[in-house]
Amino acid sequence: KAGVTQTPRYLIKTRGQQVTLSCSPISGHRSVSWYQQTPGQGLQFLFEYFSETQRNKGNFPGRFSGRQFSNSRSEMNVSTLELGDSALYLCASSLAGSSIVYGYTFGSGTRLTVV
Amino acid sequence: EDQVTQSPEALRLQEGESSSLNCSYTVSGLRGLFWYRQDPGKGPEFLFTLYSAGEEKEKERLKATLTKKESFLHITAPKPEDSATYLCAVHPGVQGAQKLVFGQGTRLTINP
Repeated sequence: KAGVTQTPRYLIKTRGQQVTLSCSPISGHRSVSWYQQTPGQGLQFLFEYFSETQRNKGNFPGRFSGRQFSNSRSEMNVSTLELGDSALYLCASSLAGSSIVYGYTFGSGTRLTVV
Repeated sequence: EDQVTQSPEALRLQEGESSSLNCSYTVSGLRGLFWYRQDPGKGPEFLFTLYSAGEEKEKERLKATLTKKESFLHITAPKPEDSATYLCAVHPGVQGAQKLVFGQGTRLTINP
């Protein structure tokens, strides 16, 4: 059974550029969440999508956005990159609308470095 | 505000030396508490979900318990392969809040 796939694994971008990260959830999973992990702040919730609709959003600036496609694949975009955006970006998928019942499965993440 | 605090930040044990990790939380209605294990360069790997005070779950050398204010992850006779960062997260009870609030993690090292 394939897990959650995130691409690319590593990315180096220059300050001011924009970046798009991709996440393919486990087959059949319709909920996709995104988290940012840094040494100082730990894992912080970015947003969650279910059936192509954003249901929840964390406390991040509008430069962070996302979307979900009809096949449940999701992308997140960060515009006007800042040095502080360097982090491991993790995607998690869940079977249905109630993740408390089915839990979350995380991907291996995309390591973004902004220089 | 929902908050999760884990202690200690780091723990170094000898192989076979049992110990416990702590996760204390304040949350607006707890729907569930999760424990994850994370190895360097990888995403968190699910271990347990606990739903109500008094609940316990076990998996190999790990046992998780839950009270109304905290959770413990007990590690019995650990092996070097148990070395990892252990993350605790809560799922708030706010309607529609499909998200996890994580603690900073405990970095566990088991020396052979």
